[in-house]
Amino acid sequence: DAGVIQSPRHEVTEMGQEVTLRCKPISGHNSLFWYRQTMMRGLELLIYFNNNVPIDDSGMPEDRFSAKMPNASFSTLKIQPSEPRDSAVYFCATTGESTEAFFGQGTRLTVV
Amino acid sequence: GNSVTQMEGPVTLSEEAFLTINCTYTATGYPSLFWYVQYPGEGLQLLLKATKADDKGSNKGFEATYRKETTSFHLEKGSVQVSDSAVYFCALSDRGRDDKIIFGKGTRLHILP
Repeated sequence: DAGVIQSPRHEVTEMGQEVTLRCKPISGHNSLFWYRQTMMRGLELLIYFNNNVPIDDSGMPEDRFSAKMPNASFSTLKIQPSEPRDSAVYFCATTGESTEAFFGQGTRLTVV
Repeated sequence: GNSVTQMEGPVTLSEEAFLTINCTYTATGYPSLFWYVQYPGEGLQLLLKATKADDKGSNKGFEATYRKETTSFHLEKGSVQVSDSAVYFCALSDRGRDDKIIFGKGTRLHILP
């Protein structure tokens, strides 16, 4: 298995634009997590899904952020409109039978 | 709720020094405990884990023992190498409660040659 695949690896966008981050989980993993990492706040859990259903979105910072998991092999995190303070590295991680989390390489988002 | 507290960094050591990174947790149930490592430009990867009290996780010379009485899971290594320079995260997961993985804030480790 190729592991958790995130795209794009880097994204630079202008303030106000819509940004969509993508994640392909490991096949068979039924929980998927979106994290945001910054120097100031560390690693923050934004939302997680179990069997494609959003379970806890209490970490989503505001209504500009939304996440979907239309099927077991794909999830998106969307920011609309984006702001400079959204600049961070966004990670997707998945778990299966084991409690171990497998992380993607992350998407480095820069909003200018 | 569940939480993880780990020592703040950065931690700077010379090569071959002994390493300890402290981690304590708060949990209402019986969590599994983890240490993850993040190398520059990469995602987190599992370093070691322990699933019940008194278990010792070990990998690549690193060790941590699940201490329920002190609610701790300190990371240790007897002789660090330059290649160990990275950010280390302590984490817990309580499958009896939910599927969340709770991470500490991370400790940056610099090893000087």
